Amino acid sequence: QVQLQESGPGLVKPSETLSLTCAVSGYSISSGYYWGWIRQPPGKGLEWIGSIYHSGSTYYNPSLKSRVTISVDTSKNQFSLKLSSVTAADTAVYYCARAVDRRSWFDPWGQGTLVTVSS
Amino acid sequence: QSVLTQPPSASGTPGQRVTISCSGSSSNIGSNTVNWYQQLPGTAPKLLIYSNNQRPSGVPDRFSGSKSGTSASLAISGLQSEDEADYYCAAWDDSLNGPYVVFGGGTKLTVL
Repeated sequence: QVQLQESGPGLVKPSETLSLTCAVSGYSISSGYYWGWIRQPPGKGLEWIGSIYHSGSTYYNPSLKSRVTISVDTSKNQFSLKLSSVTAADTAVYYCARAVDRRSWFDPWGQGTLVTVSS
Repeated sequence: QSVLTQPPSASGTPGQRVTISCSGSSSNIGSNTVNWYQQLPGTAPKLLIYSNNQRPSGVPDRFSGSKSGTSASLAISGLQSEDEADYYCAAWDDSLNGPYVVFGGGTKLTVL
């Protein structure tokens, strides 16, 4: 079955760019579906960051849109997140997940990776 | 402040039936389907209910979802200790800024 695994630095300095990758196994991204990023600050709720179609079409949370870039690399079967100008408020567990279509639910999810923004 | 409103906590004893509410508006729940996620302690969220009332394969029929107007509910019958988790509702929002996914703030379910 499809599995997703996030990876990237666990510590990012304020004002720098957070970069994460989600490796997909058990399914070829180029075959379709949408792929998304969701985050969860420690002890708080979930926040959708944005999603990408296998073709590269993207759509983002309006509150983060100016700082977010999501891209896909079908040759490596992975997709990535870049969040610029980070602050302590961006400290969170970042999850990647699959959606069957643009406005559907997310399933499955990766295990998540904690990113701390601190100098 | 989450766009969708959930009670922060709920509780019940084993065997009881518990419901968790999720309140939204015409731009989200009122015009789109609702999905529910279960997050067990220390784990990633897992899809529990999709399209208002559909259960993915493997989810026990003790879990059910419903939607009416701008509100939705998750019901858990025959409560079990392993149901102790955080539950989140989610929907697409078609407001002026949208469309985008909105989540409820989450409800922590305690099995007494």
